[in-house]
Amino acid sequence: EAGVTQFPSHSVIEKGQTVTLRCDPISGHDNLYWYRRVMGKEIKFLLHFVKESKQDESGMPNNRFLAERTGGTYSTLKVQPAELEDSGVYFCASSQAWRGETQYFGPGTRLLVL
Amino acid sequence: DQQVKQNSPSLSVQEGRISILNCDYTNSMFDYFLWYKKYPAEGPTFLISISSIKDKNEDGRFTVFLNKSAKHLSLHIVPSQPGDSAVYFCAAVFGNEKLTFGTGTRLTIIP
Repeated sequence: EAGVTQFPSHSVIEKGQTVTLRCDPISGHDNLYWYRRVMGKEIKFLLHFVKESKQDESGMPNNRFLAERTGGTYSTLKVQPAELEDSGVYFCASSQAWRGETQYFGPGTRLLVL
Repeated sequence: DQQVKQNSPSLSVQEGRISILNCDYTNSMFDYFLWYKKYPAEGPTFLISISSIKDKNEDGRFTVFLNKSAKHLSLHIVPSQPGDSAVYFCAAVFGNEKLTFGTGTRLTIIP
């Protein structure tokens, strides 16, 4: 069974540009989460989808971030326009159940904004 | 306001000895705690968890202890092996809410 995949693995962009991150969850997982880790700090929750609906987006930093999950399958996270403080590793996780121990994480996308 | 804290950014332990990783939390509403292990260039992997109604959970070489009165949990790895070298994250959950992570502790096992 394929795990959670994320694309791209790395992205280097200039301040003001747009970047779109993609996450493909494990097949059949209704719950999809986005997290971010900035500069060796804690992994912070961004938002949670249940199928195509946003269940909790309380962690989204501001309106420059837009997440979508069309059809309840893969998800995209767009940052527009990107700022220097957006640099970090963006992780996606998916789960069948709604409990932490069943969240499977992808390898992350390393974003660097110059 | 960081609700889950791992005050030791790094820890070195000799192979075969016990590794003890610590985690403190401030939110008394947390009812489930987890430890994740992370290798470089990979995502976190679930390791072990404990419910707030328990004070100990064991899985092979890994044991998690919870002290609710002190709002403290610890992960014990015994015996430590070279493959245990990784960053360990403590995380906490309230109900069906999101995971709240600590900053991680980098564990290095010395052969």
